[in-house]
Amino acid sequence: AQSVTQLDSQVPVFEEAPVELRCNYSSSVSVYLFWYVQYPNQGLQLLLKYLSGSTLVKGINGFEAEFNKSQTSFHLRKPSVHISDTAEYFCAVSVISGNTPLVFGKGTRLSVIA
Amino acid sequence: EADIYQTPRYLVIGTGKKITLECSQTMGHDKMYWYQQDPGMELHLIHYSYGVNSTEKGDLSSESTVSRIRTEHFPLTLESARPSHTSQYLCASSGGGFYGYTFGSGTRLTVV
Repeated sequence: AQSVTQLDSQVPVFEEAPVELRCNYSSSVSVYLFWYVQYPNQGLQLLLKYLSGSTLVKGINGFEAEFNKSQTSFHLRKPSVHISDTAEYFCAVSVISGNTPLVFGKGTRLSVIA
Repeated sequence: EADIYQTPRYLVIGTGKKITLECSQTMGHDKMYWYQQDPGMELHLIHYSYGVNSTEKGDLSSESTVSRIRTEHFPLTLESARPSHTSQYLCASSGGGFYGYTFGSGTRLTVV
């Protein structure tokens, strides 16, 4: 079975500062990895995904993530955050072969302070 | 423009009432999912479907039921609402693991 651990439940950061949201996963088989963002009173929106190839993945809104197979991590980064980035961020994993639902982490609340 | 629609967006209902939360998608996805989420909290998978006439229970025990008679439609029903059902309900669909999920905007349910 797969599992996802988001190491920080809350991350406060000042506007225009860099941020890293950490995600580690566990799986005995190859996986796809995803980051989703959820704004207040909304559903989840796909930020970026890693399927194969280059380990650095660029997504929407200036976010990027790096896949590290040896450390089983998929950390999300942004070099300079804005107030509008305040949201909940979820890391998720899906097995490449097989037919099981995505496994989500518990989420990280990013709060950008003016 | 949303390709997956949930109605209603907000619902306040009395204890004991029967309710159906609607979810429809226009993408032709075979896989559809229902999640329950308390504000600012993790997602709990309550039901999913891999196609017409296919439904499975998720990780979280739920008193709700689902049906999948048409590919595009995946309604969730609570036969007798209770205050413990107060939560946000998110519907999602997928064209396969490669694509991830597309989520609806959610239904925020309050049972009084």
